[in-house]
Amino acid sequence: EAGVTQSPTHLIKTRGQQVTLRCSPISGHTSVYWYQQALGLGLQFLLWYDEGEERNRGNFPPRFSGRQFPNYSSELNVNALELEDSALYLCASSPGTGVSQPQHFGDGTRLSIL
Amino acid sequence: EDQVTQSPEALRLQEGESSSLNCSYTVSGLRGLFWYRQDPGKGPEFLFTLYSAGEEKEKERLKATLTKKESFLHITAPKPEDSATYLCAVQADTNAGKSTFGDGTTLTVKP
Repeated sequence: EAGVTQSPTHLIKTRGQQVTLRCSPISGHTSVYWYQQALGLGLQFLLWYDEGEERNRGNFPPRFSGRQFPNYSSELNVNALELEDSALYLCASSPGTGVSQPQHFGDGTRLSIL
Repeated sequence: EDQVTQSPEALRLQEGESSSLNCSYTVSGLRGLFWYRQDPGKGPEFLFTLYSAGEEKEKERLKATLTKKESFLHITAPKPEDSATYLCAVQADTNAGKSTFGDGTTLTVKP
């Protein structure tokens, strides 16, 4: 069974630019989650999508946004990049809501802001 | 606000030397507690889910336990390949979909 896949694996951008990160969940999973893991910090919850809708959002500014497509894949968009956005961005998926489900992670996109 | 604190931050063991990692949590209505393993440059790999106090789960050399305030990950006779960062996370009734993670314990097992 293929796991969660993310692309690209690495990105280098400059301040003020915009970036789009992509995620394909495990087949059969309808929920997709995005987390930020900055160097030396723990995983911080960004967004949760389920059945194409944004269900929950972490304490991040509106320039962090995303969407989920009918095939359950997802994009994370970050506008007006700032230096502190440099981090590993992790996507996870789960079979959906109901009983608390573990989230299965991809290997992330490493974003560096110069 | 939900909080997860892991200790110690780092742990160095000799191969075969058993030990435990601690995860203390504060949450409004625990839906589930999760243990993950993260290798450098990789995403977290799911290990266990625990739902209620008294529950235990085992996998090879790892055993996870849960009380109302903390969870332990016991490592029996570790091998060098068990070296990784171990993360604990909780999901709460009041914040659907969000997992709150601790900062992890980095385990190094020397041969």
